[in-house]
Parts: sequence; C-alpha cells; structure tokens
Amino acid sequence: QKEVEQDPGPLSVPEGAIVSLNCTYSNSAFQYFMWYRQYSRKGPELLMYTYSSGNKEDGRFTAQVDKSSKYISLFIRDSQPSDSATYLCAMVGGGGNKLTFGTGTQLKVEL
Amino acid sequence: GAGVSQSPSNKVTEKGKDVELRCDPISGHTALYWYRQSLGQGLEFLIYFQGNSAPDKSGLPSDRFSAERTGGSVSTLTIQRTQQEDSAVYLCASSLGVYKPNYGYTFGSGTRLTVV
Repeated sequence: QKEVEQDPGPLSVPEGAIVSLNCTYSNSAFQYFMWYRQYSRKGPELLMYTYSSGNKEDGRFTAQVDKSSKYISLFIRDSQPSDSATYLCAMVGGGGNKLTFGTGTQLKVEL
Repeated sequence: GAGVSQSPSNKVTEKGKDVELRCDPISGHTALYWYRQSLGQGLEFLIYFQGNSAPDKSGLPSDRFSAERTGGSVSTLTIQRTQQEDSAVYLCASSLGVYKPNYGYTFGSGTRLTVV
C-alpha cells in the first residue's frame, strides 16, 4: 500500500463547476500538506500548502486537512478551462526534507 | 537563473547506453532534489542534496544510478547501462534550504528519457 493514495481520474467537469480533489495517507508523521498543479510537459508548481489540520483559502482554491481521518482535499470554485491540469498532493513530516507525492489527478474543465 | 533549468528536455537512447541528465538550480538554492515521474506512478523520490553532499540517496533504484553536485550548484544524474524500465520523466527541484513550506520546491520542466 502506498503512503499517499490519490484517484488518478481523469475527472471531467463543465466550466463553472466546483471541483473536489482528494488524497488519503497512512503516515501520521506528515505535518505539512501541499497541492501542486502540473500542466502537460511542465514541472509541478506549488499551488497551496497547509500545516496540520484546518482550512486555507486562496482565491478560487481552498485546501482542507483532516489529520484525524488522514484525508486532505482541494476545492476549486468556478472552474475554468485553464484549470485543466494534473493536480498532485504532497506531504512531509516536520523533520523531513523530501516530499511524498500522490499519483496525481488529471482534471479537464470543458467549455 | 530565473528558474530551474534541465537539459536535455528529451533524450532517446539505446538500451545499454549511459546517459547524463543535467540540472541547473535557482541561484542561491542550497537544496536540490531529483524525482522520477512514470505514467500512473506519480513522483518517485531519487536523491536529495544539501550543498554538495547527499544526505539521502535512498530512492536511487539501483547502483546503475548515481548523482553528483558541484560548487553547490549544477547537478548531474547519471544512468549507466540503461534499461527500458528507466524510461520516465526525470524532474529536478531546488529550494532555499532543508524543506520549509514557505520556501517550497521549484521544479524544472524535466528530461523525458526514452530507452529503446
């Protein structure tokens, strides 16, 4: 079993929809949680990060962490075709230095 | 530089040949990471450098893989006697130091390696 599980999709939604992306994990030492966005043939870019449990909002994006359930989510409101990409969750323990990534969810937002 | 630069962007090689992949991190970033991305496998950690030393090389899949970093800057990942299962996108990332979330990783665009 992988340390981080993420549904690979693909997920197809109409423009304007609310998108929910999720990851589960097994390592209780993880404390920092990140979401990366990766466009085709590009490297991942950091979208958001959160520390421990709670919510964080940035524009149309909201990240949620529930450490008790070992479950993290990314919500995208008013989705746009430009949001079409692969979204990867990543996490690291407080004393760690390397990120553990999910496999990524491929999202397509259609006109 | 303005971003993390990787070269070549694409490499096709014959099985059994050696390849060298290069990463030029952001100036001043002391930490450098190599990851491998295969279809459906996500990002797999290979090795981490702090300065010129590699405190964690636990992800290197076999002794055919090696990496070095010189001058606290450019890093080279070498794969000897390439095999078809080595085909993947090799991504390099750098950060200001040992990972802190407010520093984040900056990734390059990767080298797409195809072994035929």
